[in-house]
Amino acid sequence: KAGVTQTPRYLIKTRGQQVTLSCSPISGHRSVSWYQQTPGQGLQFLFEYFSETQRNKGNFPGRFSGRQFSNSRSEMNVSTLELGDSALYLCASSLRLAGRSTDTQYFGPGTRLTVL
Amino acid sequence: AQSVAQPEDQVNVAEGNPLTVKCTYSVSGNPYLFWYVQYPNRGLQFLLKYITGDNLVKGSYGFEAEFNKSQTSFHLKKPSALVSDSALYFCAVRRNNNDMRFGAGTRLTVKP
Repeated sequence: KAGVTQTPRYLIKTRGQQVTLSCSPISGHRSVSWYQQTPGQGLQFLFEYFSETQRNKGNFPGRFSGRQFSNSRSEMNVSTLELGDSALYLCASSLRLAGRSTDTQYFGPGTRLTVL
Repeated sequence: AQSVAQPEDQVNVAEGNPLTVKCTYSVSGNPYLFWYVQYPNRGLQFLLKYITGDNLVKGSYGFEAEFNKSQTSFHLKKPSALVSDSALYFCAVRRNNNDMRFGAGTRLTVKP
């Protein structure tokens, strides 16, 4: 089975621009979660989508948004980029059968975003 | 609220020696606990999880973890460390349908 894929792997943007990151979950997985990883703040939860609905949301400003499509693929968007948005953005998928929260999350390789 | 703490930023061990990476958690109710490993420029790889049942959980690559409810700990262990185990290790906790909370990570260095 193919793992979680994220595109693009690397991205360079300038302040004020917007960016869209894509995540394809493992086949059959219904839940996609997004995380931001930085050296200073560590791994921080952004949001989780399950059956095309946002189920959980972390403590990030409204510039960060996401969506999930009917095939479970997910995108996240960051508008009006700031220097502090430079980070590794990780996507994770899980089965979430019957909404189970004990299912393991499997991570993609991440998208490294650099904001200049 | 739920949280995990990894009290050591860095752990150094010699190859062949046992290793322990510590994790303590804070959550009301029964926790779901996870360990992940991250190699440079890679995503997180799942090692093991505790949901319920036996307190000793066995995972990938010879790793195991012991759940201790009275000490609210979930330490990761391996009897004999390999140089290739050198990486960043994350403990995480989740309860019910809340989001997964990760610790700050512990960098493990195994020296030959």
